Amino acid sequence: GESVGLHLPTLSVQEGDNSIINCAYSNSASDYFIWYKQESGKGPQFIIDIRSNMDKRQGQRVTVLLNKTVKHLSLQIAATQPGDSAVYFCAENNYGGSQGNLIFGKGTKLSVKP
Amino acid sequence: NAGVTQTPKFQVLKTGQSMTLQCAQDMNHNSMYWYRQDPGMGLRLIYYSASEGTTDKGEVPNGYNVSRLNKREFSLRLESAAPSQTSVYFCASRAGQGIWGNQPQHFGDGTRLSIL
Repeated sequence: GESVGLHLPTLSVQEGDNSIINCAYSNSASDYFIWYKQESGKGPQFIIDIRSNMDKRQGQRVTVLLNKTVKHLSLQIAATQPGDSAVYFCAENNYGGSQGNLIFGKGTKLSVKP
Repeated sequence: NAGVTQTPKFQVLKTGQSMTLQCAQDMNHNSMYWYRQDPGMGLRLIYYSASEGTTDKGEVPNGYNVSRLNKREFSLRLESAAPSQTSVYFCASRAGQGIWGNQPQHFGDGTRLSIL
């Protein structure tokens, strides 16, 4: 099977609870950030993005928070469901890269207990 | 709307064999990317094409070549496969920076490649 989940930090939550996944990014000049969800055997799926001129952005059941002072990004998932079980990656935009090149974190595995 | 389509989904090669991984997108995106994903390493950029007619090296280009055949298609070639190239390969595309600033990349479901 897919080996993406090996050696990853794991967050285990109860169904219905809220989940918070954290990410430290590397470049203080990065200006665009994305969260992706990757299910076993699939490619990364876009969840939500945020630009550096914002500190919070909300989507459906998800919220991304950006703290530029400490170079920290978090993804909050409300009322976590079994279908949310996956590996979550944060990505930052390579500053000045008009090509939109991204630098990916190593990922966090979210496991939802029914 | 298929998005980003990669072929093949699985492949096993012997050391020294050559192989081309295919990628096509139907979203009229300008930029296309090839990544590899290894356990514990996240996604690493191999090559990218900012627009039709241009290609550039990413973080880990050695052992690979690419061709941006047209706006839709971006292929990745392994000329002489090595066991270190065993990985899952993902293609992605992006509309481009545009007037609204950066936009996300959209990914295919990957090619799982094993080199024996």
